[in-house]
Amino acid sequence: QSALTQPASVSGSPGQSITISCTGTSSDIGGYNYVSWYQQHPGKAPKFLIYDVSYRPSGVSNRFSGSKSGNTASLTISGLQAEDEADYYCSSYTSTSTPYVFGTGTKVTVL
Amino acid sequence: QVQLQESGPGLVKPTQTLSLTCTVSGDSISSGGYYWSWIRQHPGKGLEWIGNIYYSGKTYYNPSLKSRLTISVDTSKNQFSLRLSSVTAADTALYYCARVAFYGSGNYSPIPYGLDVWGQGTTVTVSS
Repeated sequence: QSALTQPASVSGSPGQSITISCTGTSSDIGGYNYVSWYQQHPGKAPKFLIYDVSYRPSGVSNRFSGSKSGNTASLTISGLQAEDEADYYCSSYTSTSTPYVFGTGTKVTVL
Repeated sequence: QVQLQESGPGLVKPTQTLSLTCTVSGDSISSGGYYWSWIRQHPGKGLEWIGNIYYSGKTYYNPSLKSRLTISVDTSKNQFSLRLSSVTAADTALYYCARVAFYGSGNYSPIPYGLDVWGQGTTVTVSS
């Protein structure tokens, strides 16, 4: 099972909105609404941000939102803040030999 | 709140077996409400799923590691463990344990939808 494809880096200025894409196939993102997103600050464990494409766990800021179109899922961060500088990973349930697969990761830089 | 804590040797010799334990507090593994997972992250790289286990002992393994991998659970200690045999330098990584939220039946085709609680991670180096 190949990793989902994410851009290596995305940047934006404080207050702006940025979008991170996550591209898979019809066996994962395109076939199911079980896409999740994680935020990882340097030296820290990942944090659960989004599940089922667009739902936020309790306590996650509403500046984070998720969506999906076809085989591509997206994470949008609105009102970008310095604390949003981190690595972001998508994940999806998959019908292949593994129950889910992670994305390649995207480094978000706040300019 | 729920907390997970990884423990085990930080240094393992090539060809030996890597063994890690994850101790869960604030939740009971035997409640059956979640799967429990191991994930690793090679230095400077992305996340790699290793495997999942349910309280009943049902497991799902990454096919690329399956021949060397054993994940087990000890509900009496509220712990689950990872054993990876015949390690090489390629197994050097930061190892995380995590709780897996899922839909459906835990013992029949569960659909995992998120890793909602993570341990802090433990670094394992494979070197002679």
